[in-house]
Amino acid sequence: SQKIEQNSEALNIQEGKTATLTCNYTNYSPAYLQWYRQDPGRGPVFLLLIRENEKEKRKERLKVTFDTTLKQSLFHITASQPADSATYLCALPQAGTALIFGKGTTLSVSS
Amino acid sequence: GAVVSQHPSRVICKSGTSVKIECRSLDFQATTMFWYRQFPKQSLMLMATSNEGSKATYEQGVEKDKFLINHASLTLSTLTVTSAHPEDSSFYICSAATSGGVMNTEAFFGQGTRLTVV
Repeated sequence: SQKIEQNSEALNIQEGKTATLTCNYTNYSPAYLQWYRQDPGRGPVFLLLIRENEKEKRKERLKVTFDTTLKQSLFHITASQPADSATYLCALPQAGTALIFGKGTTLSVSS
Repeated sequence: GAVVSQHPSRVICKSGTSVKIECRSLDFQATTMFWYRQFPKQSLMLMATSNEGSKATYEQGVEKDKFLINHASLTLSTLTVTSAHPEDSSFYICSAATSGGVMNTEAFFGQGTRLTVV
């Protein structure tokens, strides 16, 4: 069955450093992959989408890579700030309709 | 981006009663809406997909008679948890998409509903 793994449940870094989160998937060849941010008690908010033919995507301090050979996506936040503290979810399309999500990585940025 | 409004944000109900959760797309027509459930420190789990004007498609293991979904208009879908039990306590989140479902585009999520069954 399809499986998404975000291998760190929690990541603690200092302000100003780069946070790198990992998403691995198995039994799957997605046409695209998405990253979302979720704050406690809130619904997910879309951050970035990267397609299978794209190696890298950037948006302000965010960068996503997508390696379809390794079946892995890396999500980077550069110059991290305490306001970046949240849970970050990796999501893949399920049969082209709904999304399936990883468990998420909770990032804590300390000042 | 598009706005999806979910109501209520929190609800406490007694065991055995039913609870209705509403999901509205405020500035676009949602031909497809998705309902997810999220337990603490767990992933969002898809419960069902609803298309406007037709019956919802439920994921394996989700009881369709317990979780009633109605998508009667292009801007409103409702999830009714019938005969709720404490194990139904969870965070329920809806998501909306335009025609064709989530195809190469972002998904719009509601704020979520925290259901507590006592």
